Amino acid sequence: EPEVTQTPSHQVTQMGQEVILRCVPISNHLYFYWYRQILGQKVEFLVSFYNNEISEKSEIFDDQFSVERPDGSNFTLKIRSTKLEDSAMYFCASSGNRGGNSPLHFGNGTRLTVT
Amino acid sequence: GNSVTQMEGPVTLSEEAFLTINCTYTATGYPSLFWYVQYPGEGLQLLLKATKADDKGSNKGFEATYRKETTSFHLEKGSVQVSDSAVYFCALTETSGSRLTFGEGTQLTVNP
Repeated sequence: EPEVTQTPSHQVTQMGQEVILRCVPISNHLYFYWYRQILGQKVEFLVSFYNNEISEKSEIFDDQFSVERPDGSNFTLKIRSTKLEDSAMYFCASSGNRGGNSPLHFGNGTRLTVT
Repeated sequence: GNSVTQMEGPVTLSEEAFLTINCTYTATGYPSLFWYVQYPGEGLQLLLKATKADDKGSNKGFEATYRKETTSFHLEKGSVQVSDSAVYFCALTETSGSRLTFGEGTQLTVNP
């Protein structure tokens, strides 16, 4: 069964550094997402992406975050200047179409640790 | 805004016990409801879903019924196995939207 793959599985970075988290969504999917889960807290929506642009973003997704689909297969999340509170598990997801009838397929996540 | 509330965990059961994990929601429209499961070291996997009131979602022996009158979507399984040990997340999305709103997650441990 096709799956969403994320790399790296664990990223450690120093405060203020830029990080790029990478995802390869399922190949025929059209909608792409990033979610995050701070340890011990809920899984939170960050952003959705369709047709090469952001379709929805949460209040968490401020100017330090950006997303890109650089080559038609990868989907990346960039954090420009990391803060301690960015430490979390970041999940990428993709779906075939929008709405409640199209389940999201999640990757295994990237654990980001900011020191 | 939308929100999902799950019963507080963790939950520890013996093999073959009956499982209930409570989930209630608040939504402005007519949401679709989901249960996701996360096995150790893995991503979130869709377990089951229901898209309208009174629908029952089922998979792998798990069931949940969309109850509009009580705004609930409780997860049940008649006889759990050790392999069911995982974190279970209740979630919703508006039928016209794409954003999933998750509950807190409930850690289930099943002992032999």
